[in-house]
Amino acid sequence: AQSVTQLGSHVSVSEGALVLLRCNYSSSVPPYLFWYVQYPNQGLQLLLKYTTGATLVKGINGFEAEFKKSETSFHLTKPSAHMSDAAEYFCAVGSTGANNLFFGTGTRLTVIP
Amino acid sequence: DVKVTQSSRYLVKRTGEKVFLECVQDMDHENMFWYRQDPGLGLRLIYFSYDVKMKEKGDIPEGYSVSREKKERFSLILESASTSQTSMYLCATFSYSGAPPYSYNEQFFGPGTRLTVL
Repeated sequence: AQSVTQLGSHVSVSEGALVLLRCNYSSSVPPYLFWYVQYPNQGLQLLLKYTTGATLVKGINGFEAEFKKSETSFHLTKPSAHMSDAAEYFCAVGSTGANNLFFGTGTRLTVIP
Repeated sequence: DVKVTQSSRYLVKRTGEKVFLECVQDMDHENMFWYRQDPGLGLRLIYFSYDVKMKEKGDIPEGYSVSREKKERFSLILESASTSQTSMYLCATFSYSGAPPYSYNEQFFGPGTRLTVL
C-alpha cells in the first residue's frame, strides 16, 4: 500500500524567506514521487518529479525537492519565496506498474509581503 | 503539450438531477481518472479507466458512475445529485512511455469543474 502525509495544512512565510513544505511517504516498492501546485480555481500543474537517478530534483519556478529513502521523505523547498508562489501544493506517490497516484491532503502556502 | 479539457468550469444543479461531467484529452493516453477535491481532504479518486470500456473503482465510487466509449473521452455521471456531492471535480490522464520497465509519467490535469448541488 502507498500513502502520503503532508505535515502542515497551512504554511505562511514572508516574501524572500525560505519555503519548506514537508512530505513523507509510505511505499512497499520503490516509489515515484511528485509535487504539484494548484493556483486558485485551476487544475494541478506538475512542479517536479522523482522517478530514478539523482535524488535532488529541480523543478519549475525555482523549486526543488530531495528524495531521502532513509527518511521516506520528499520535502519541497525554494530559497526565496515570491508572492506568486501563494498556492496549494500537493505531494503524490506512485510506483512502476501502478495505474494511479496517491495524493496528500495538500499544503496551502501563504506569502506575506 | 497534453491538453485535458473539462466541459464546464462551474456548474449548478439541483438535488436529484442527473449530472454529466465530461473530460476530453488529445494525447492518446490510455489512462484517465476522476478525482474530487475537498478542503482538508486533498484529492480522492472516484474512478479510473485504463482502456476504452474499462473502468475501475477508486476510493469513493458511491453515488457515481463513469463511461468511456472513446479513448479520448471519459465521463463522470452523478445518477441523482446530492448536496454532499458539491465539490471540485478534476480529470487527469497519463500514459506509460518507453519499454519495460515503464517510465512513470506524471498525470496531466484538466482545469476542474466546480459543482454546486442545491
